[in-house]
Amino acid sequence: GAGVSQTPSNKVTEKGKYVELRCDPISGHTALYWYRQSLGQGPEFLIYFQGTGAADDSGLPNDRFFAVRPEGSVSTLKIQRTERGDSAVYLCASSQKTAGELFFGEGSRLTVL
Amino acid sequence: QKEVEQDPGPLSVPEGAIVSLNCTYSNSAFQYFMWYRQYSRKGPELLMYTYSSGNKEDGRFTAQVDKSSKYISLFIRDSQPSDSATYLCAISSGATNKLIFGTGTLLAVQP
Repeated sequence: GAGVSQTPSNKVTEKGKYVELRCDPISGHTALYWYRQSLGQGPEFLIYFQGTGAADDSGLPNDRFFAVRPEGSVSTLKIQRTERGDSAVYLCASSQKTAGELFFGEGSRLTVL
Repeated sequence: QKEVEQDPGPLSVPEGAIVSLNCTYSNSAFQYFMWYRQYSRKGPELLMYTYSSGNKEDGRFTAQVDKSSKYISLFIRDSQPSDSATYLCAISSGATNKLIFGTGTLLAVQP
């Protein structure tokens, strides 16, 4: 497809487990963003990549969260030792340039039991 | 104080009504203002993108920015049931797509 693709769409895990969420951005988009959306809230910025490097990771809540984009395309958000408070929809978005129209995926809904 | 405040609603209107959605923000450094629409279990999609004070119109949608009072609005004319969604305002410095979103307003347009 032509849009931002995220997998899995749903993930249920137990407290303390490790989780990986994958994002496949629109082809040719150099900027990739991760946001987190809790129930009843707007998306909150986590991290943004320009190419392969994390240009701004100031939104990552703590060191249990980590993201990579090794080849400048697909990105993986990694969450270690998950907690119930990590339950949310994790949204990935990409844009052709650093700023400009941002295209969101449908999100990965994470539930930590 | 949150950087962006938005009334979460829900807001219910009859088909054909004019809808007014609003946000206030606190930091005058932000120069770019956006409205996103989010359907249930979908990602947000950009509706309107404005820079500086004034109005911008696109079909049935008008975005309005008043930087002196730090107030942004979205008006929907002739609302349709298909407009039923959550509407999110967002602000940014414009240098990146690191956006600050409001909480979103849930809108229901009744046929």
